[in-house]
Amino acid sequence: DQQVKQNSPSLSVQEGRISILNCDYTNSMFDYFLWYKKYPAEGPTFLISISSIKDKNEDGRFTVFLNKSAKHLSLHIVPSQPGDSAVYFCAASVLLSGGSNYKLTFGKGTLLTVNP
Amino acid sequence: DSGVTQTPKHLITATGQRVTLRCSPRSGDLSVYWYQQSLDQGLQFLIQYYNGEERAKGNILERFSAQQFPDLHSELNLSSLELGDSALYFCASSLGVNPSYEQYFGPGTRLTVT
Repeated sequence: DQQVKQNSPSLSVQEGRISILNCDYTNSMFDYFLWYKKYPAEGPTFLISISSIKDKNEDGRFTVFLNKSAKHLSLHIVPSQPGDSAVYFCAASVLLSGGSNYKLTFGKGTLLTVNP
Repeated sequence: DSGVTQTPKHLITATGQRVTLRCSPRSGDLSVYWYQQSLDQGLQFLIQYYNGEERAKGNILERFSAQQFPDLHSELNLSSLELGDSALYFCASSLGVNPSYEQYFGPGTRLTVT
């Protein structure tokens, strides 16, 4: 049962345009969401996050939007640059029973290619 | 460089064997996480330790075990290896257990089971 889904395995955009990466989740108990970026032969690196009490968080060229009613998350990159070409993972966190531990669930990732 | 080190970088072994993957967290980080990335799969959370204590378990098989030592480094032990265990294994570390603490990932260990 895949609780975090990234339905687009790949996305190709032109340099300077907007990249929109999407993520859907099924577990309404997720309360914190993150995006990670991964280059080949490297580990993922944290990009941006959002708490479930917010609907938008912005950091430079990166903005994450959260629509809780639709259980949908998106990452906007504006403007897109060739160096943004990487695999992007969406992740969601849930507080486990016991009240002090968390578990992160990742999507399968979307390969973004930004063409010069 | 995330500050998280993983050894070895590559490991090739046969079915039925046992291997140990090692992770040294970023200086000051108390929490260590292990993830598995198989072909066509996202990152699967395996297990988390905080200051030597197991805190959360994910999709970790019974053939797999882990521990975190007093110096905070961690080891992931994989036994009775099967072909399907071939994957990239990532270790990550963070200051605390709350997800608002950024997780820093190591470069991974690529395990190939033949």
